[in-house]
Amino acid sequence: SQQGEEDPQALSIQEGENATMNCSYKTSINNLQWYRQNSGRGLVHLILIRSNEREKHSGRLRVTLDTSKKSSSLLITASRAADTASYFCATLSAGGTSYGKLTFGQGTILTVHP
Amino acid sequence: DTEVTQTPKHLVMGMTNKKSLKCEQHMGHRAMYWYKQKAKKPPELMFVYSYEKLSINESVPSRFSPECPNSSLLNLHLHALQPEDSALYLCASSQHTVRETQYFGPGTRLLVL
Repeated sequence: SQQGEEDPQALSIQEGENATMNCSYKTSINNLQWYRQNSGRGLVHLILIRSNEREKHSGRLRVTLDTSKKSSSLLITASRAADTASYFCATLSAGGTSYGKLTFGQGTILTVHP
Repeated sequence: DTEVTQTPKHLVMGMTNKKSLKCEQHMGHRAMYWYKQKAKKPPELMFVYSYEKLSINESVPSRFSPECPNSSLLNLHLHALQPEDSALYLCASSQHTVRETQYFGPGTRLLVL
């Protein structure tokens, strides 16, 4: 089964609007991370939230984590055209045979129109 | 220096060639990773090195051979690849353990003919 499913697959908004992306996962996690990737280049780490945290902020980014629902959301406020990219959630498994493995979701393609 | 560098940026190779991908970081990180990413797909973990020792091998075919000669360098040796191995190969590093933030390089785009 796929760890880290993201929703929506694609999101198109106007500059200045907020963008919300959701991520669901299946197994216990140590932490959940959000990454950004611009057109097939390297990934840029945005934010890490640990399993005992519920919300984190970084600039225009807000991440929430609900471990009871096994879900997370990334909110980008006041979006800019430069935010256009693919956004991935990635979960770090808490234990078992998958310990230490960072598993990425399918990603959300965000397009911000000027 | 907060950068992970990868060389080459692009690589085209035939199925009988032997080539190597190189990854370098000077952040003092002791965990390093190789990921493979196909077009429009998420990165998939291939290998994890922790303190220069291979700690995770995600059942990767033997035509991919990782090497960690020292704490700053990570190589991926390629031999007898198949066209379906064409992908973006990403290297990453984290400070001590897999529980920490991973910093990614720009990747090597590989085309196997």
